Amino acid sequence: EIVLTQSPGTLSLSPGERATLSCRASESVSTISSNHLAWYQQKPGQAPRLLIYGASSRATDIPDRFSGSGSGTDFTLTISRLEPEDFVMYYCQQYGSSLYTFGQGTKLEIK
Amino acid sequence: QLQLQESGPGLVKPSETLSLACTVSGGPIRSTSYYWVWIRQPPGKGLEWIGSIYYGGDTYFSPSLKSRVTLSVDTSKNQFSLKLNSVTAADTAVYYCARHVLPCTTSTCSPGWFDPWGQGTLVTVSS
Repeated sequence: EIVLTQSPGTLSLSPGERATLSCRASESVSTISSNHLAWYQQKPGQAPRLLIYGASSRATDIPDRFSGSGSGTDFTLTISRLEPEDFVMYYCQQYGSSLYTFGQGTKLEIK
Repeated sequence: QLQLQESGPGLVKPSETLSLACTVSGGPIRSTSYYWVWIRQPPGKGLEWIGSIYYGGDTYFSPSLKSRVTLSVDTSKNQFSLKLNSVTAADTAVYYCARHVLPCTTSTCSPGWFDPWGQGTLVTVSS
């Protein structure tokens, strides 16, 4: 099983600041052609929403302040300018193996 | 726009079987581009993948749940289903269904990310 470790567990920032969330895999989730990692946002009481797939491709209707990067075992979700509605939970998910796993999540809170 | 909706009992007794259905609207479940997936989230905790099914019957399961899980697809109802037997309090969770996107390269296709998701349904295991 590929274990995903997200850091930090909680990130305290102010609106307008830049957020950098990390997701580290216990083994590579990349091939020569693809990075098999996705990011989701979850608001309280709601289902997760896909933000990023393929480590860096934005899903439909996702604002361009959200961006993803990384390869191999280290991945980053960056939110360039935080809006009030961005202060929620974020999860990464790998699909490099057919045992699909999620990270434990990063909570983004208002400082 | 594709939408998914979970349905089923909100309360199940210990040792019994949890049964949920997911109705897909806005697109056919009989598609070569997708699997269909169940994911759960215990209250206040993270996300756990349960298993995925293709309309033709191919399945993937979480090893930790495989012995207790049955997945099925009913293309006539555009619906797929989850059965989890011998439940305990540890199975109390919000259960989500979602579409499991099947990206393809020039040589292979392999299930990837989950999009979109149903709203989720809370299932409590208690006597």
